[in-house]
Amino acid sequence: ETGVTQSPTHLIKTRGQQVTLRCSSQSGHNTVSWYQQALGQGPQFIFQYYREEENGRGNFPPRFSGLQFPNYSSELNVNALELDDSALYLCASSNGQGAGATEAFFGQGTRLTVV
Amino acid sequence: QKEVEQDPGPLSVPEGAIVSLNCTYSNSAFQYFMWYRQYSRKGPELLMYTYSSGNKEDGRFTAQVDKSSKYISLFIRDSQPSDSATYLCATSRAGGNTGKLIFGQGTTLQVKP
Repeated sequence: ETGVTQSPTHLIKTRGQQVTLRCSSQSGHNTVSWYQQALGQGPQFIFQYYREEENGRGNFPPRFSGLQFPNYSSELNVNALELDDSALYLCASSNGQGAGATEAFFGQGTRLTVV
Repeated sequence: QKEVEQDPGPLSVPEGAIVSLNCTYSNSAFQYFMWYRQYSRKGPELLMYTYSSGNKEDGRFTAQVDKSSKYISLFIRDSQPSDSATYLCATSRAGGNTGKLIFGQGTTLQVKP
């Protein structure tokens, strides 16, 4: 186990609704990255939070937003859900930035189904 | 063109075989390369982490990077049924393993007893 926990594990939402996914980072880690993994694909980088600030964003629309708290846990919010948002959402916890960063440890993911 | 290309397979081998998994990448600025293993319905687990060119060995696993051809490989010796999983190659745009990773599509491996 990596010490990175995500909740909930599974979720079913209706198109147009909003969803919040949560991630608790590993103890001592100050960086959380979020990924979307569609079925049969590799994870795609959504964004990263470092010390409560957004620190880089992938090619995702603004309806994907996030937050990091003082204890370095994080939330991913998705508004106006679309069917294509159905995927496994992964968070990864690491410490530091650049070449000095520690390896990223992934949580088990939240499987979101949009109907 | 995707920044990291990986044949999705599936790849099926008998127990004990040597497995070769491969990826290509497009940006010569990439310097850090990782291999993750992902079991069904689980998060990815880091297997190997290499910097620049060369080989790195860890038990039955060997990671190889050839920067001249932009080619990365993972070799698994004496493959076991428990190695059956999806293997993801990844690199980092920002330098180091910062969590801003670019993944290949993943190769599904099945090791048959």
